[in-house]
Amino acid sequence: GQNIDQPTEMTATEGAIVQINCTYQTSGFNGLFWYQQHAGEAPTFLSYNVLDGLEEKGRFSSFLSRSKGYSYLLLKELQMKDSASYLCAVLDSNYQLIWGAGTKLIIKP
Amino acid sequence: TAGITQAPTSQILAAGRSMTLRCTQDMRHNAMYWYRQDLGLGLRLIHYSNTAGTTGKGEVPDGYSVSRANTDDFPLTLASAVPSQTSVYFCASSLAGVESYEQYFGPGTRLTVT
Repeated sequence: GQNIDQPTEMTATEGAIVQINCTYQTSGFNGLFWYQQHAGEAPTFLSYNVLDGLEEKGRFSSFLSRSKGYSYLLLKELQMKDSASYLCAVLDSNYQLIWGAGTKLIIKP
Repeated sequence: TAGITQAPTSQILAAGRSMTLRCTQDMRHNAMYWYRQDLGLGLRLIHYSNTAGTTGKGEVPDGYSVSRANTDDFPLTLASAVPSQTSVYFCASSLAGVESYEQYFGPGTRLTVT
């Protein structure tokens, strides 16, 4: 079966750094997405990785290791507005997105 | 720019009644999707359409039907609603296979079946 695992909830302090991990087992792999979803809102795109390595975009970075079935999203200089759920999704062999349940990130002052 | 719109924003529906959730995009995306999102679960694909005139079943299609008469519209119909269909429904679109597989989401419809 297809499976994507990420922690249910994480807590971090404003101004700090947090790493949200995602492991996956899917039928085929055509890339991995990270989305941000604020409570009561729609998911919005953060990053896409298809090759191994680190992709940096401002305060957010995303890492992929295809051989380990592993990705992480790194958020630096945390702000209160970063309080949200972060969704990991894998594009499978049929080019459909398989979604993790999401990690709720709580930022404390 | 509207992007993707969904209607209604929320709805309370009696079990056994039918309902159509509307979704319209103005980005000329070829692919469209319907997901449901339930607490503690990831987004689950209900139905999808890779291009106007074609549709496919996702992970949880039972009790739902879709049509794709044109590029812009992708309505989702519940023929006879049941309480387990209480959920938040998201419509999404992408330029799948054309540019990228990044999906753009509508604001969602909160449906409660009583």
